[in-house]
Amino acid sequence: DVKVTQSSRYLVKRTGEKVFLECVQDMDHENMFWYRQDPGLGLRLIYFSYDVKMKEKGDIPEGYSVSREKKERFSLILESASTNQTSMYLCAGSLRAGYGYTFGSGTRLTVV
Amino acid sequence: DQQVKQNSPSLSVQEGRISILNCDYTNSMFDYFLWYKKYPAEGPTFLISISSIKDKNEDGRFTVFLNKSAKHLSLHIVPSQPGDSAVYFCAASDSGNTPLVFGKGTRLSVIA
Repeated sequence: DVKVTQSSRYLVKRTGEKVFLECVQDMDHENMFWYRQDPGLGLRLIYFSYDVKMKEKGDIPEGYSVSREKKERFSLILESASTNQTSMYLCAGSLRAGYGYTFGSGTRLTVV
Repeated sequence: DQQVKQNSPSLSVQEGRISILNCDYTNSMFDYFLWYKKYPAEGPTFLISISSIKDKNEDGRFTVFLNKSAKHLSLHIVPSQPGDSAVYFCAASDSGNTPLVFGKGTRLSVIA
């Protein structure tokens, strides 16, 4: 089975910390995505990447950056964590950006 | 402006009855539609999809209907089971290499 693995299921970080969320896929997919899910707001796209070293801003990129040095790994970085970044973060991969995604299990991040 | 709208945040259905989840879209360039199911603390999983060249697609208990003129699609679950209780996200694509656009989700509760 193809897999998207997110390194942590639950994280608690302090305000102002730099936070790294890691995502690894074993599907050899070019496209990878980071979303956050909040009650009443659905899935909102933070950043995505079509290829190694390429990145594109999604709908809510403020306060975040990404890194994709290798095809299989796509990292989301919170430069200085804030309480409004407390959320469920979901990574996904796909062969084509507009088709079916495989999601990871998610990281529940709490910023205190 | 929301391009994909799920106007019912929640739906409650008796076990064995039909569940109907609705989704509206505004972008006439969308030509591929998907439904994802999400349990708490897990990533979304793909459920069923439909291309704009069809008006119906069926997979077991799940059927998706597409009305292009009304820019409306619906997911029917028959019969509903308690294990179907989850959040359902509608998503749409223009078949280009652009990310899926998701609705805000509908929480389905199937009551035994």
